[in-house]
Amino acid sequence: GEDVEQSLFLSVREGDSSVINCTYTDSSSTYLYWYKQEPGAGLQLLTYIFSNMDMKQDQRLTVLLNKKDKHLSLRIADTQTGDSAIYFCAHGAAGNKLTFGGGTRVLVKP
Amino acid sequence: EPEVTQTPSHQVTQMGQEVILRCVPISNHLYFYWYRQILGQKVEFLVSFYNNEISEKSEIFDDQFSVERPDGSNFTLKIRSTKLEDSAMYFCASRSTNTEAFFGQGTRLTVV
Repeated sequence: GEDVEQSLFLSVREGDSSVINCTYTDSSSTYLYWYKQEPGAGLQLLTYIFSNMDMKQDQRLTVLLNKKDKHLSLRIADTQTGDSAIYFCAHGAAGNKLTFGGGTRVLVKP
Repeated sequence: EPEVTQTPSHQVTQMGQEVILRCVPISNHLYFYWYRQILGQKVEFLVSFYNNEISEKSEIFDDQFSVERPDGSNFTLKIRSTKLEDSAMYFCASRSTNTEAFFGQGTRLTVV
């Protein structure tokens, strides 16, 4: 199967760290992605990790991959109000379609 | 910065009517995709297109759907006879051989 599961909602205070979790079932994926969707907008690629990596850091974003448990997480440091959005985890093999999770709605409170 | 553009941003159509959703992929990209997102649900793959033919399609992409690259720049999704359940946000995406997929802003289709 190609299920990708995410928790529905995360509330965090401004300045704190956010951690968004994702689990997937397809072990053949070579890339795992995090997309951000703001209200009424399209899908913005935030970051991605190749399946042979354990961690990737990109400014405030840290992606952790546990291949054994098929678990992916996105940590946002110093969360800002502009980070309020829906975050989608997705996976795919190189060149192939993406399979998305249901999205985690992140609400940043001042 | 190059981007994928989709038109219109919002389309309202009557049930049973045909609609064409338009996309202009990034100019040097070779792989094209359509996804849809029903309100409140996950983004679902519809179809991928490469070298002027469909390379993969999902169960959602039935005979009512078709895609076309009528010229060197546009990539269209046609729904022949729309149903209420076709109401969704439709996203076009494109990529080149060694890049990630870039998504357009989406077309919101409302079938009434």
